Amino acid sequence: KAGVTQTPRYLIKTRGQQVTLSCSPISGHRSVSWYQQTPGQGLQFLFEYFSETQRNKGNFPGRFSGRQFSNSRSEMNVSTLELGDSALYLCASRRVEGSYEQYFGPGTRLTVT
Amino acid sequence: AQSVTQPDIHITVSEGASLELRCNYSYGATPYLFWYVQSPGQGLQLLLKYFSGDTLVQGIKGFEAEFKRSQSSFNLRKPSVHWSDAAEYFCAVGGYNKLIFGAGTRLAVHP
Repeated sequence: KAGVTQTPRYLIKTRGQQVTLSCSPISGHRSVSWYQQTPGQGLQFLFEYFSETQRNKGNFPGRFSGRQFSNSRSEMNVSTLELGDSALYLCASRRVEGSYEQYFGPGTRLTVT
Repeated sequence: AQSVTQPDIHITVSEGASLELRCNYSYGATPYLFWYVQSPGQGLQLLLKYFSGDTLVQGIKGFEAEFKRSQSSFNLRKPSVHWSDAAEYFCAVGGYNKLIFGAGTRLAVHP
């Protein structure tokens, strides 16, 4: 069974631009979560989607948004990029029914210049 | 407040030596506990998990962890470390849909 896939793997953007990252969960997994990883703040929860609905949100500004499609694939968007948004963005999927463990993708490395 | 503390930022062990990585958590309800490993430039791989039952859990790659409720700890152990175990290890506590991670412990393995 294929794992969680994320595209693109690397991205370089300029301050003020916006960016969209994509995540395809493991087949059959219906929940997708996003995390930001930085050297200073570590791993921080962004949001979680299930059945196209955001169910939980971390403490991030409104510039960070996401959505989930009917096939469980998810995208996250960051608008008006700041230098501090440079990070590894990790997506994780979970089967949901009776399952609490999350399986992570390889991440998208975003660099904002 | 929910939190995870990994007291050791860096640990160096010799190949073949035993390993214990510490993790302490603060969580209001019954915690779901996890250990993940991250190699450079990679995502997180789930090593093992604890939900309930036997407090000693076995994971992949020869790792095990012991849940001690009285100490709010979930330490990761391996009896004999291999060079390929060099990576960063994260302890996490979670509810139904969100994980809270510790700061991580970077493991170096000397030949």
